[in-house]
This record gives sequence, C-alpha cells and structure tokens, in this order.
Amino acid sequence: DQQVKQNSPSLSVQEGRISILNCDYTNSMFDYFLWYKKYPAEGPTFLISISSIKDKNEDGRFTVFLNKSAKHLSLHIVPSQPGDSAVYFCAASYHNAGKSTFGDGTTLTVKP
Amino acid sequence: DGGITQSPKYLFRKEGQNVTLSCEQNLNHDAMYWYRQDPGQGLRLIYYSQIVNDFQKGDIAEGYSVSREKKESFPLTVTSAQKNPTAFYLCASSQGGRVNQPQHFGDGTRLSIL
Repeated sequence: DQQVKQNSPSLSVQEGRISILNCDYTNSMFDYFLWYKKYPAEGPTFLISISSIKDKNEDGRFTVFLNKSAKHLSLHIVPSQPGDSAVYFCAASYHNAGKSTFGDGTTLTVKP
Repeated sequence: DGGITQSPKYLFRKEGQNVTLSCEQNLNHDAMYWYRQDPGQGLRLIYYSQIVNDFQKGDIAEGYSVSREKKESFPLTVTSAQKNPTAFYLCASSQGGRVNQPQHFGDGTRLSIL
C-alpha cells in the first residue's frame, strides 16, 4: 500500500510559466510534508516543507499548498527556469515516526 | 564543509558475495537512514537509526544489515541473501530522529552485479 503517491511521472513546462507538481497521501497521521529535488547521479536536496497546522508555505519561487481534507499537497514553481529541471519527490512523516515515506517522484522538464 | 560522504560511488559485486557501502556524516546528526532507489521508483527505506547502537528495519530490510557503532558512521552490508541488489543506494541523516526535520543526503552508491 503506497501511502504517498505522485501520480504524474513527468511534467513539461515552458520557461517562465508555472510548474505545479502534485502529491496525494493516505495516512491521516502524517503531519509534516516535504519536497526534495534530485538531479541525476546525485542525492536529493531538501527544497521546502509544510506542517499540517498550515495550508501554505512560501520560499522565493517555491510555494507548497496543503489540503488536509483532500489529503493532497502541491508544489508551485513560479517562474519556472531551465535549472529547475529535475526529479521532485514528495515525502511525508509524523511526529515520533523517526522516518519519512517518499513518493515515486515527478520528472520536471523546463524548456527554454 | 559539513555533509554526508558515501563511498564508493560505483561498486560491483559478484554473485554470492557480501559488500559493504560506507556512509559518513560530519553534521552531528543523531539519525541516519539507508534508502534504495530503482529506476522510475521512489526511495524505499532499508534501515534507519535514531541513536548510536540502535537501528530499526525499514520497508525492505531483507538481505541487508547495518551497524551504528559511531554517531558519524552507518555502514550498510548487502548480503548474498539479497537476490536483486542492483540499485542506487542513498544514505541520509537528520538532526533529531523523532522530530520532523528534513534529511540531508549523500550522492549515492550505484551497485551492480557482475
């Protein structure tokens, strides 16, 4: 049973436009959500997170939205840049779990 | 610079052979993790450790073993019992194991079977 799902394996957008990456989860105990970015042959790097007490968190061009009732979160990148082309992983955890559960990732391609 | 170092970057294993992947961190993090990534898939948790001398199985621990004798080090042994070991292995650490914190990752070790 996959508790964190990223249903779109890939996304292609034009430079300067908005990229929206989606993530769904099934475990209602999750209270902390993260997005990581990964380039080929490298480890993921942390991008942005959100606690379940919030519904939005913004950091520069990156905004994460959380809809708890729908068990859905999304990452918005505005404006998208070619350097944003990477695999984006959604992850979730809950207090005292001591671990995170990752989705399968979405490959974002930003075309110049 | 603080970070996580995984070595080697590429590793080849013969059938029936055990191999050990190294992971060292100088971030003074309490928790460390091992993940496996297969093509087109996400990160699956193999083992994790919240403190020294303690570790727990993740979702796919069969055929793997770990030790946590020092805070900085969390080596992973891929045993001959792991029938499909070819994958990209990632080590990570985080500041406080049971507190929600982002994980910091190494650059991975790619293991292949000869």
